[in-house]
Parts: sequence; C-alpha cells; structure tokens
Amino acid sequence: ETGVTQTPRHLVMGMTNKKSLKCEQHLGHNAMYWYKQSAKKPLELMFVYSLEERVENNSVPSRFSPECPNSSHLFLHLHTLQPEDSALYLCASSQEAGTGGYEQYFGPGTRLTVT
Amino acid sequence: GQNIDQPTEMTATEGAIVQINCTYQTSGFNGLFWYQQHAGEAPTFLSYNVLDGLEEKGRFSSFLSRSKGYSYLLLKELQMKDSASYLCAVMDSNYQLIWGAGTKLIIKP
Repeated sequence: ETGVTQTPRHLVMGMTNKKSLKCEQHLGHNAMYWYKQSAKKPLELMFVYSLEERVENNSVPSRFSPECPNSSHLFLHLHTLQPEDSALYLCASSQEAGTGGYEQYFGPGTRLTVT
Repeated sequence: GQNIDQPTEMTATEGAIVQINCTYQTSGFNGLFWYQQHAGEAPTFLSYNVLDGLEEKGRFSSFLSRSKGYSYLLLKELQMKDSASYLCAVMDSNYQLIWGAGTKLIIKP
C-alpha cells in the first residue's frame, strides 16, 4: 500500500448507529487530519493530530470522536449522526503540522450517507 | 472573518489556455496551495507559493501577489484529463489551511 488509504469507501448508516472510519498513511508523516467535504462548499477542517496528539478541534459536534493510536493511523468514530452529516470525509497527512510549506496528501475519502 | 474566493465554474477548449483566479482575506499568510480534484477522487497537490511571483511546473503555473491577496493558476495546452475541480487554499497565521469552494473546470473538445 502506498500513500493514504481510507476504509470504508462508502458507508450508509442510520441515525442511531455507531460506526468508525479508518485512515492509514504509509508516508512516514507526523501529522494527520480529518476533513469534511460537502457539495459546493469549502473543505472543513475537523481535527488535526501531530505526533499522535490532538492539536486542533474546530468546534466539531461531539458525535464525531477522533482517535490517533499512532502516527500512521487515524480513526473517526461516529454515533448518533444527523442527515446533514452526510458528506465525503477525507483524511490527509503531512510531514509536519504547525509549520509552513508542507503539502497535505489526501486519501480517497469515505462517502457517508446518514438515513 | 477569513475568506477565499474563486469562480464556481469555468469552461475552456482543448489545447487552449485557462486562468483560474483566487482572492483571499486571511488572518496572516504562510503560503498558498493549489490542488486538483477529479470527481470522486482525492485532492492532489499542484503547487505552493509563499513569495510573490510565478512558479512554473510543466503545463501548470501559479502566480502570487501577497499585497493584492491574489493568486492564479494557469493551465496551458489543455487536455481533456484536466477536467476537474481546482482548489485554492491559504495557510493562515496558525498554519491552518483555509480552503476555497473550488473551481470546476470543464474542457470541451
């Protein structure tokens, strides 16, 4: 595997379900990110981890819970979601966070539909 | 507030040149990125500008004017595979990326 991988690629869940999104990066990066992408809207940064420590939490509802067990893996735990949470969830990694010049590498995303 | 503006959609002809503009108002500036995103795929990095001027990379060039809060992405010799969304993002004083909504570029034969 190379780059950034995400599973599952598609997920349909009811509002009472609990599910998790998984991201893995094979680039040796120290920073990982979760973004939400809705149609015709800018990417919304949700969480940033640097060396497994959360450094940013952009006012995200508590029904989204991130976990970073090591610098290669990132999870997003979902529970009691709302229909407006339906979107593409993108994971990204970069060499470092909190400094300029490093581009982010994105995974293919998980298309989430909440019914 | 912080704001990134870019056109929603543009159309161009195969073989031609197109310029996609991006204007920004952010709290601080630590560089501007351009990404390409094909439908249903991940964004991929195209360019990074932190100093004023033009950066050329093959058929793609990116220009930055910090005093004007302005950048453009120039695509030459357009190919059908260039049909995609192009995302402009600015790194602010907290080193967070602030993203534009993207410009959907349609290439016609």
